[in-house]
Amino acid sequence: AQSVSQHNHHVILSEAASLELGCNYSYGGTVNLFWYVQYPGQHLQLLLKYFSGDPLVKGIKGFEAEFIKSKFSFNLRKPSVQWSDTAEYFCAVNTGFQKLVFGTGTRLLVSP
Amino acid sequence: DGGITQSPKYLFRKEGQNVTLSCEQNLNHDAMYWYRQDPGQGLRLIYYSQIVNDFQKGDIAEGYSVSREKKESFPLTVTSAQKNPTAFYLCASSQGGSGTEAFFGQGTRLTVV
Repeated sequence: AQSVSQHNHHVILSEAASLELGCNYSYGGTVNLFWYVQYPGQHLQLLLKYFSGDPLVKGIKGFEAEFIKSKFSFNLRKPSVQWSDTAEYFCAVNTGFQKLVFGTGTRLLVSP
Repeated sequence: DGGITQSPKYLFRKEGQNVTLSCEQNLNHDAMYWYRQDPGQGLRLIYYSQIVNDFQKGDIAEGYSVSREKKESFPLTVTSAQKNPTAFYLCASSQGGSGTEAFFGQGTRLTVV
């Protein structure tokens, strides 16, 4: 069965620091990968997704992620975080049978 | 407005009672999902449906049941067999195709006392 691992459960950064959140998945076939964000009190929303093509994908608010097939990874990055990036971030994988599975999430706190 | 509506936002039930959570979407999406969100455990998939009149168990389906009689509706019943039903429940839908974005409702917080 497919699964998603997010190793960092809580991350605390100062503004302007660089961010990298890890995401690894277990599935041997073709995958579609997503990062979602949940700001305090708001709905989950899509940050970015990988479907095919260029493994470096760019999303909203300056976020990007790199799909490394050999490592089964899809890490999320941002060069310089802002206080408004404080949120919970979820990695998700869909293997083509419409089963969308999420990781346990990473809570990011950015201090001003 | 287009979107996903979950009702109610807060729900209280006595232990041993079944309770049904509503999820309606007007996005004309084929696929719908139910997740349970607990602190430190992320979103765990309960049930999902790729198309009307069809649904599959997710990773934690025990103690839950669903129906998909209409494209726009995917209600979730939390039965008395669910051992730890107090949680935050999220419904989502997507157009179909594994690369499409899922859209989420605002969630229902169920408390069983």
